[in-house]
Amino acid sequence: TQLLEQSPQFLSIQEGENLTVYCNSSSVFSSLQWYRQEPGEGPVLLVTVVTGGEVKKLKRLTFQFGDARKDSSLHITAAQPGDTGLYLCAGAITYNTDKLIFGTGTRLQVFP
Amino acid sequence: SAVISQKPSRDICQRGTSLTIQCQVDSQVTMMFWYRQQPGQSLTLIATANQGSEATYESGFVIDKFPISRPNLTFSTLTVSNMSPEDSSIYLCSVGYDRGPGTDTQYFGPGTRLTVL
Repeated sequence: TQLLEQSPQFLSIQEGENLTVYCNSSSVFSSLQWYRQEPGEGPVLLVTVVTGGEVKKLKRLTFQFGDARKDSSLHITAAQPGDTGLYLCAGAITYNTDKLIFGTGTRLQVFP
Repeated sequence: SAVISQKPSRDICQRGTSLTIQCQVDSQVTMMFWYRQQPGQSLTLIATANQGSEATYESGFVIDKFPISRPNLTFSTLTVSNMSPEDSSIYLCSVGYDRGPGTDTQYFGPGTRLTVL
């Protein structure tokens, strides 16, 4: 059974702090997505990473895909209250392009 | 991306009844999926809704409990049958575009929040 473990599970920080969320698995994924979900809404796609070692930046968010395509990280610089939400990584199973395995989730709270 | 709507947005139902959730997309999509998200938790895939054929269910989910229809490339329904309080969850549909390896992004509807009393 493929499993994507995220850490930490919960994170409460002050505005302006930096943070990193990790997404780890023993399985190889053909691609990995990061989503953010706010209360009462569906997950919203932040980024897709495809190549091992790939780094993508989205304003204050930096995403990295591990060299072996088994893990990923999300780093937020100078967090803001608007970053509050549930962060989910999701991996596409290698050679099977129609199914995603979702991570266990990281709930982030940023206080002003 | 796609614009996805779900109906109803929320409902409170009695034990033993059934609820059908609708998912409408503003464009034709290759794949549609149904997920369950229990309070405070991540997403669990229920099934892949296949156009013109029976849905493909994940381990732990069966057609008798969660019948799914997909009559065309823009619409699908999920029915939660013979409900119990354990079925209280958010139900989400998502869509995907099969454009080859590495393009497995899915886009989600706003979800249906179901409470079973």
